[in-house]
Amino acid sequence: AQSVTQPDIHITVSEGASLELRCNYSYGATPYLFWYVQSPGQGLQLLLKYFSGDTLVQGIKGFEAEFKRSQSSFNLRKPSVHWSDAAEYFCAVGGAFSGGYNKLIFGAGTRLAVHP
Amino acid sequence: EAGVVQSPRYKIIEKKQPVAFWCNPISGHNTLYWYRQNLGQGPELLIRYENEEAVDDSQLPKDRFSAERLKGVDSTLKIQPAELGDSAVYLCASTSGGGRNTQYFGPGTRLTVL
Repeated sequence: AQSVTQPDIHITVSEGASLELRCNYSYGATPYLFWYVQSPGQGLQLLLKYFSGDTLVQGIKGFEAEFKRSQSSFNLRKPSVHWSDAAEYFCAVGGAFSGGYNKLIFGAGTRLAVHP
Repeated sequence: EAGVVQSPRYKIIEKKQPVAFWCNPISGHNTLYWYRQNLGQGPELLIRYENEEAVDDSQLPKDRFSAERLKGVDSTLKIQPAELGDSAVYLCASTSGGGRNTQYFGPGTRLTVL
């Protein structure tokens, strides 16, 4: 069955430090992958997405992610974190899953806290 | 361009009461989704509409949940009767064309069942 695992429930970093959020997926075919961010009381905002081609994708707010097929991973990175990046981050995999309908399956999320 | 609009933002009800959530998608988006997000979890799809047609409702608990999208624009999700375990955030999303297209999410409705 398709699934997404975000191993880190909670991460704390200092402002200005680098960040990497992990995401592993399980899907038999070629996936398309997303990272969304959710601030308190807000809906999900798309950071970036991977469909095909270059495995390193750039997103908004200085984020990037790298697709590694051999590791079934799609980790999110940022070289220097800002206090405003504190939020919850969700990785999602999309595809024609059971029933033949394109849908997204989300991980449980990683909550990021940023220390000044 | 206006985003996905949802109302109400918050709702507190007692168990066994009915409740309804409303969603207005981005103009021109023919695909609409309802998700449920439990505390500490990612969103889980409840139902997906292509225009007026519900094309994937396999995760919708049909004994108490219902949804409609009569004119292919606005949508309503209803729970009757609500149970304690229904406490969650209900998110609406929309996209044009479905498939790999980006889903745009509304702010959600936080439901608390007492």
